[in-house]
Amino acid sequence: QKEVEQDPGPLSVPEGAIVSLNCTYSNSAFQYFMWYRQYSRKGPELLMYTYSSGNKEDGRFTAQVDKSSKYISLFIRDSQPSDSATYLCANLGKSTFGDGTTLTVKP
Amino acid sequence: SQTIHQWPATLVQPVGSPLSLECTVEGTSNPNLYWYRQAAGRGLQLLFYSVGIGQISSEVPQNLSASRPQDRQFILSSKKLLLSDSGFYLCAWSRGGLHEQYFGPGTRLTVT
Repeated sequence: QKEVEQDPGPLSVPEGAIVSLNCTYSNSAFQYFMWYRQYSRKGPELLMYTYSSGNKEDGRFTAQVDKSSKYISLFIRDSQPSDSATYLCANLGKSTFGDGTTLTVKP
Repeated sequence: SQTIHQWPATLVQPVGSPLSLECTVEGTSNPNLYWYRQAAGRGLQLLFYSVGIGQISSEVPQNLSASRPQDRQFILSSKKLLLSDSGFYLCAWSRGGLHEQYFGPGTRLTVT
């Protein structure tokens, strides 16, 4: 079992929709999580960095960590075509990444 | 502000040839440095990380090696490339072990 599992997608939504991207992790010692956005053939770009349970908000993006269920989520409000990319979740402590979810936002 | 560079951007090499990929970071000192490989449609696999000059930790046994000759320079090498070494190689830096990582633009390697 991979230490970080990510919903595989792909995901296609209309512009303006709320998007939910999800990951689970297996190691209860994990505490620090990151979400990255990666455009095709580019390096990943850090979106959110979270520690412990609860929500963290940054503009249209909200990262949520539920340690009791070992579940992490990224919500995108008012999605835009420019949000079309692959989203990667990661555990910071062991530098373990999910395989990514590819999102397409259609105008 | 901090900037991370990688070169070359694209590389096509024959099987059995050597490899040298370079990564440099500007605007910070004593960063943690990381090498990752990303296969097509997959997540990132940590290959090496370094907490200081000459200090390299290997995460995956393979025919690759890494070196850190200067504080902000990280090099990925191979003496003889295999077909399975093809992929997208990414360098990243962080302020420490439990700080967020920032990635470079990557090198796309194709071994033929």
